[in-house]
Amino acid sequence: DIQMTQSPSSLSASVTDRVTITCRASQGISNFLAWYQQKPGKVPKLLIYAASTLQSGVPARFSGSGSGTDFTLTISSLQPEDVATYYCQNYNSAPWTFGQGTKVEIK
Amino acid sequence: QVQLVESGGGLVKPGGSLRLSCAASGFTFSDYYMSWIRQAPGKGLEWVSYISSSGNIIYYADSVKGRFTISRDNAKNSLYLQMNSLRAEDTAVYYCARVGPMAQDYWGQGTLVTVSS
Repeated sequence: DIQMTQSPSSLSASVTDRVTITCRASQGISNFLAWYQQKPGKVPKLLIYAASTLQSGVPARFSGSGSGTDFTLTISSLQPEDVATYYCQNYNSAPWTFGQGTKVEIK
Repeated sequence: QVQLVESGGGLVKPGGSLRLSCAASGFTFSDYYMSWIRQAPGKGLEWVSYISSSGNIIYYADSVKGRFTISRDNAKNSLYLQMNSLRAEDTAVYYCARVGPMAQDYWGQGTLVTVSS
C-alpha cells in the first residue's frame, strides 16, 4: 500500500504569510494527488486535484505542484478564513490513502 | 445541485451490525464511482471503500476488509455500506463522496457511528 506523509503536522503563521505544506508518497503516483481543506466542524472540501488543478470556486491564492512522489500545497497569502486542516490523498491506486493532515492556525 | 445525504448511523454494541445509506441527487448517479470515507473523533480522514459506477469494481481498506460491504442501487440513486462485526475503533463519522475525474469532489454531511457497550 502507498503511504502518504505530510509535513509539518501543524503550523502557525501570520496573515499574508506564504504557507507551504508538503506531501510525500511512498511510491510514485504520477499526478493522482488531491488536496482537501477541512474547517473546524465542517465537511472536507476538495481544493486541488491532479496535483495542480484548482477546483472551481477555490481562491487563486491556493496552488499545488509536484508529480511522482513529492507534492506541495501553497497558500500565497494566508487569510483568517484559511484556518483549517489540510489533507493530501493518493487516488492513483487503491487504497486511496490520506496523509495525516496539517493543521494551519493564525499566529 | 449535487446533494449526498447519509443515514443509518447510531449506537451499536461491539460485534453488532449497521447499514449506512447515502441518497444521491442532482447528478446522474449511475455515471459515477462512489466512495465511503470515515473520520474518528478528533482524528484524520480514512478512506474506507469505493465502488465503480456499475458496481463491478470494489476496493476496501485493509482495516475493514471482510467486515464491511459496499453496494449501490442505481435505480434508487443510493449507495450503501453494510458494516458487520463492528469494533470500538470503527467509531467515526462516515461520509459518502462522489468520485469525479478529480478525486472526491462532493461529500455528504456525514453520519455518526458509535460502537460501544
